Amino acid sequence: ETGVTQSPTHLIKTRGQQVTLRCSSQSGHNTVSWYQQALGQGPQFIFQYYREEENGRGNFPPRFSGLQFPNYSSELNVNALELDDSALYLCASSLVAGGVGDTQYFGPGTRLTVL
Amino acid sequence: AQSVTQLDSHVSVSEGTPVLLRCNYSSSYSPSLFWYVQHPNKGLQLLLKYTSAATLVKGINGFEAEFKKSETSFHLTKPSAHMSDAAEYFCVVRGPGSARQLTFGSGTQLTVLP
Repeated sequence: ETGVTQSPTHLIKTRGQQVTLRCSSQSGHNTVSWYQQALGQGPQFIFQYYREEENGRGNFPPRFSGLQFPNYSSELNVNALELDDSALYLCASSLVAGGVGDTQYFGPGTRLTVL
Repeated sequence: AQSVTQLDSHVSVSEGTPVLLRCNYSSSYSPSLFWYVQHPNKGLQLLLKYTSAATLVKGINGFEAEFKKSETSFHLTKPSAHMSDAAEYFCVVRGPGSARQLTFGSGTQLTVLP
């Protein structure tokens, strides 16, 4: 069983640029969630994708967008980067089995620095 | 809305002594609660989860937590701390919506002294 992987590990961008972060789900999982973890804080939910559709969204502006592909890998895109977007971005995959909702398994994260 | 409050931002214990990390929750429904651990420069690892079965939940690495509805608490304990337990610990509640998103506490940094 392969775990959740994310790329790249680190990324440096300048304000106003756009960035794409990537995530590969754990084998057999069909749901992916993205979280933003600012320094010294707990992760905050950005959005979730289930079967290639957005399935819920946290309190993040539309410049945060995502995609999920048929193989259940996922992308997080952030446009018009701001300094406050500097954070660790975590991807988590889960298998949503009926109405139970299953445990989320996290990847190692992508550290984004916006200068 | 659901939320969790971690009562201590930092906890220091000596190796071999008990660990207690405190968490209170707020929820309008029967919650699913989790504890995750984050080691430096690593992702989050699930320690244990409560999903309305037994109130005493056993997790990995000797950790356990007890769900107490009357006190709205879900404290994490371990009988004997090990140096490798030094990390950031997050108490987490899962939402009821279709996304069942996780809401994290602010974290407790555990230091283990030799």
